[in-house]
Formats: sequence, C-alpha cells, structure tokens
Amino acid sequence: DAGITQSPRHKVTETGTPVTLRCHQTENHRYMYWYRQDPGHGLRLIHYSYGVKDTDKGEVSDGYSVSRSKTEDFLLTLESATSSQTSVYFCAISPGTDYYEQYFGPGTRLTVT
Amino acid sequence: GNSVTQMEGPVTLSEEAFLTINCTYTATGYPSLFWYVQYPGEGLQLLLKATKADDKGSNKGFEATYRKETTSFHLEKGSVQVSDSAVYFCALTDSGGYQKVTFGTGTKLQVIP
Repeated sequence: DAGITQSPRHKVTETGTPVTLRCHQTENHRYMYWYRQDPGHGLRLIHYSYGVKDTDKGEVSDGYSVSRSKTEDFLLTLESATSSQTSVYFCAISPGTDYYEQYFGPGTRLTVT
Repeated sequence: GNSVTQMEGPVTLSEEAFLTINCTYTATGYPSLFWYVQYPGEGLQLLLKATKADDKGSNKGFEATYRKETTSFHLEKGSVQVSDSAVYFCALTDSGGYQKVTFGTGTKLQVIP
C-alpha cells in the first residue's frame, strides 16, 4: 500500500472556525490532490498540487485553500468552516507515471455544526 | 468537458451471481480508463485499468474492456463473493495536463450469502 496518512481522521468543528487537514506521503510522489466525497456526487476535486509551492484549483475550490511547502505534505484549510463543508475528505497522490494512477489516503470525516 | 456515467445503484446480488456494472464516458483526446473500489470506511483503491482501445484490464476476477466505439468500460465478474461488497467507481484521465481524474458517482454493490 502507498504510504499516505491523513490527520485528523475525524473532526467536529463549529461554523466559522478555521480547520486544517493534513496529508502526508512517504512515496515522494510529485502530484497530490484533495477531494471531497458526498452522497450522489462521487468524488470532486478541490485542489491539486504538481510540485512544491505549485498548486491549482479544482472544480469545488471555493472556501478552501491549500499549501505545499514540502514534497511530503499537502495541507487543506477551510478558512471559515460552513455546514456545507461537512463531508469526507480524501487525499490522493500520483507519481506522474503509469497513466496517472492515483493512490488514496484513508480519509478524514469532517462535521461542521 | 470530460464526464463519466455509471449505472445507478445499489446493486444487490446473491453470492456466485454474475456482475455487470455499466460505465460510459465522454472525453476529449485519448483517455485512460480505470475502475476503483472503496470498501466501507476506507479510501479508494485501484482495481484495474486500460490505457488504449480494446485493452482489457483485469484483477481479482474482475474485468473491463476499453470500447472506444461505444465509449464504454463496463465492469464484469463471473462469480461475486460477499467480500466484493463495496462501492465501485469508474474514472478516466485525459491525455492533457496534471493528471486530473474524472470520477463517476459510484455504484454500490451488495452481495448476499
């Protein structure tokens, strides 16, 4: 299994508070991604990174920001959490070879009350 | 833009039944096609892939053939087991930049003894 961890695994927070989710990889893969998974929507891309300090928006980026200061870490920040951001968040990595296969972390379940 | 359409679930089968989960796609260029599986409480895992027309991907008894003429990539298994109960996602990556993956909404499979 690819070495990907996410922290925290579960979090409950209040509306309006900032939240940061962390993705850590030990594979030295170039590409990293943040998705959210909601019933009826499958997985939707929030942001992705194609290298240290190189990031770009996905299809549902409003209300989220990311940072990647090291190859192994990709942080997702909700600046001011809202109830619509209650979801399961998955990090994924890809080496840039093998036709773009992605490897997923175990997920973070976030509840915004 | 790219899109992936999967059959609605849930799909409920008896053990040893034949499984088909339909997947069709719309894409520019020459996409690579994937099936991912998600077991309860876990992240997605790559199940199989096909990178060009007429390729057949296979793994763990599952198969799917890349049909360019019908833009389809249906997942099949000859004899399902209770342990195959999971959510299955069809996905594609296009030939253009940064390896962004387009996922279908997922099909839940439940296999009963």
